Amino acid sequence: DTAVSQTPKYLVTQMGNDKSIKCEQNLGHDTMYWYKQDSKKFLKIMFSYNNKELIINETVPNRFSPKSPDKAHLNLHINSLELGDSAVYFCASSQEVRLAGSPDTQYFGPGTRLTVL
Amino acid sequence: LAKTTQPISMDSYEGQEVNITCSHNNIATNDYITWYQQFPSQGPRFIIQGYKTKVTNEVASLFIPADRKSSTLSLPRFSLSDTAVYYCLVGERKREYGNKLVFGAGTILRVKS
Repeated sequence: DTAVSQTPKYLVTQMGNDKSIKCEQNLGHDTMYWYKQDSKKFLKIMFSYNNKELIINETVPNRFSPKSPDKAHLNLHINSLELGDSAVYFCASSQEVRLAGSPDTQYFGPGTRLTVL
Repeated sequence: LAKTTQPISMDSYEGQEVNITCSHNNIATNDYITWYQQFPSQGPRFIIQGYKTKVTNEVASLFIPADRKSSTLSLPRFSLSDTAVYYCLVGERKREYGNKLVFGAGTILRVKS
């Protein structure tokens, strides 16, 4: 009954490979996000989807492509992996309470630690 | 989005009240102050959010002075299980981009031996 789940938890791969990380939320939320946390622990938003529509794309290289088959899933596909892509990737979701005002509470998944060799 | 400044780390004895102060001098009128907690090897978790004065929930209290240029997260009785990184975030939900949380470096809160 995990609220936000990600698979895999660990991913070790070679440079140049293509890989995907899956995220699913069972909270009925309509907005999902991907964040990247680097080795210095800075957490930075990459993408945000609302009802399967991309609403935030934070100057992420186009090797990263989010895919939302339905509002409960937001997968992250990464092409031509590079050493600098090594990080922990977090998926999150939130329920849009209002169009503007206080930020909605975001619920984070457990993270996927990606290591590129 | 307003920038925040927090201490890099803090140590506290178990059982003591812990206060973490965050500076946000250029906070905008519509910005809210939100705190998240991140345990090792886990995703961040929402703790508390406020706009002004004081907010209290079952986990913590948030004190915001009248000028809103800083805020203080207070954990009433620190325990080993509270060891985590605490992030202070400032922002609002906007029609054009929804929620966009900007995390700073956070404060590592540890037990003092």
